[in-house]
Amino acid sequence: KQEVTQIPAALSVPEGENLVLNCSFTDSAIYNLQWFRQDPGKGLTSLLLIQSSQREQTSGRLNASLDKSSGRSTLYIAASQPGDSATYLCAVTPDFSGGYNKLIFGAGTRLAVHP
Amino acid sequence: GAVVSQHPSRVICKSGTSVKIECRSLDFQATTMFWYRQFPKQSLMLMATSNEGSKATYEQGVEKDKFLINHASLTLSTLTVTSAHPEDSSFYICSALPYASGGRYEQYFGPGTRLTVT
Repeated sequence: KQEVTQIPAALSVPEGENLVLNCSFTDSAIYNLQWFRQDPGKGLTSLLLIQSSQREQTSGRLNASLDKSSGRSTLYIAASQPGDSATYLCAVTPDFSGGYNKLIFGAGTRLAVHP
Repeated sequence: GAVVSQHPSRVICKSGTSVKIECRSLDFQATTMFWYRQFPKQSLMLMATSNEGSKATYEQGVEKDKFLINHASLTLSTLTVTSAHPEDSSFYICSALPYASGGRYEQYFGPGTRLTVT
C-alpha cells in the first residue's frame, strides 16, 4: 500500500531564506507526483507536476525534484516571502497497476515565513 | 483554463437534514471526478471516485448510502450528505480529471465546501 510522508510537519523561517521541503513515498511504481499549496480554509493550488520519467520541474522560485527509485521528492523554495506561508502538500498518482486515477496525499508541511 | 467550481462554498445545516454539494468543471469535460474530505489540520482523504454515467466507487470505510454521488454529465458531479450529523462536519473538496489529459493525469481541484452540522 502506497504511503506518502512529508518532513518537516511544520517550518517557521525568516523572510529571504531558501527552503527545502521533503516528500517520500513507499512504492516507486508511480505515474506522476504533484506538489500543491493550500491556504487556510481554501482549496488546492497545483504548483508543479513531475512525470515519472522526469527528474525535476521549475516554476519561478520553485523547483521540484524527483528520485523515483529512492522514493523521494523535494520542493525547493528560493528567497522565501511571507506570501509563501501556506501548507504544502505532496501527492503521488500510482501507475496503471496501482489504480492510476487516485492521488495519495502526504500530511503536508505547514510553512510560516515571517518578515 | 481547467477551472473547477464548487457550490456552495459554505453551508450550515441541522442534524438529520440532507445537504447537496455541486462540483462543476467549467471549461473542460471530466472523465472522472473525485470527492475528498479534509478534517482540520489533516490531509485530504479520498472518499469516492465517480465516472460519468456509472456508479461511484467508494473507498473503504465510506458509507455509500450516506454519501450519495451522482455524476450526471461530463461537467457535473454532486455529493449529497444524507441525514447529516455533527461528525460529518468537514471540508469537502472535489477534483476533476480532464477527458483529454494528454497522458498527464492531472486532477484539477475545486475551492472546497465547508459543511457544519449543528
